[in-house]
Amino acid sequence: KAGVTQTPRYLIKTRGQQVTLSCSPISGHRSVSWYQQTPGQGLQFLFEYFSETQRNKGNFPGRFSGRQFSNSRSEMNVSTLELGDSALYLCASSFRSSPGANVLTFGAGSRLTVL
Amino acid sequence: DQQVKQNSPSLSVQEGRISILNCDYTNSMFDYFLWYKKYPAEGPTFLISISSIKDKNEDGRFTVFLNKSAKHLSLHIVPSQPGDSAVYFCAARGSNYGGSQGNLIFGKGTKLSVKP
Repeated sequence: KAGVTQTPRYLIKTRGQQVTLSCSPISGHRSVSWYQQTPGQGLQFLFEYFSETQRNKGNFPGRFSGRQFSNSRSEMNVSTLELGDSALYLCASSFRSSPGANVLTFGAGSRLTVL
Repeated sequence: DQQVKQNSPSLSVQEGRISILNCDYTNSMFDYFLWYKKYPAEGPTFLISISSIKDKNEDGRFTVFLNKSAKHLSLHIVPSQPGDSAVYFCAARGSNYGGSQGNLIFGKGTKLSVKP
């Protein structure tokens, strides 16, 4: 069973540009969550999508957005990049069929560097 | 403010000894707690979880203890092995999300080094 796939793995952008990251969840998983990992802040929740709808959103500015497609694949976009957006962006998927531990399966992440 | 805290950024133990990683939380509405392990250049992987109705959960060398009155949980690894060297994240899930399972709130992580 293929894991969570994130592309691209590494990318470099300059301030003011925008970036789109892609995530393909585990087959059958309908929930996709995005997290930002930085050395000082650990993993911070960005948003969660389920059945193409945003279900939860973290405390990030509107420059951070996302969407989910009918095949459960998800993208996140960051516009007007700032130096502080340099981070590892992690996507995670889960089956989410019943209450219980929200065991997320993470991808390897997309390492974004903003110059 | 940080709802899930891992106050030790790093921990070093000798192979074969016990590793104890600690986590404190502030929100009494959390109903599930999880530990994830992360190696460099990889995403976090799920290790073990515990429901707030329990005080202990064991899986092989890994045991998680929950002290609800102290809002504290700990992960014990016995015996520790060099392959356990990684960053360990504590995570918590809130229960007041209606039909949603809610997002996980992570601590900042503790880097465990197990020396041969």
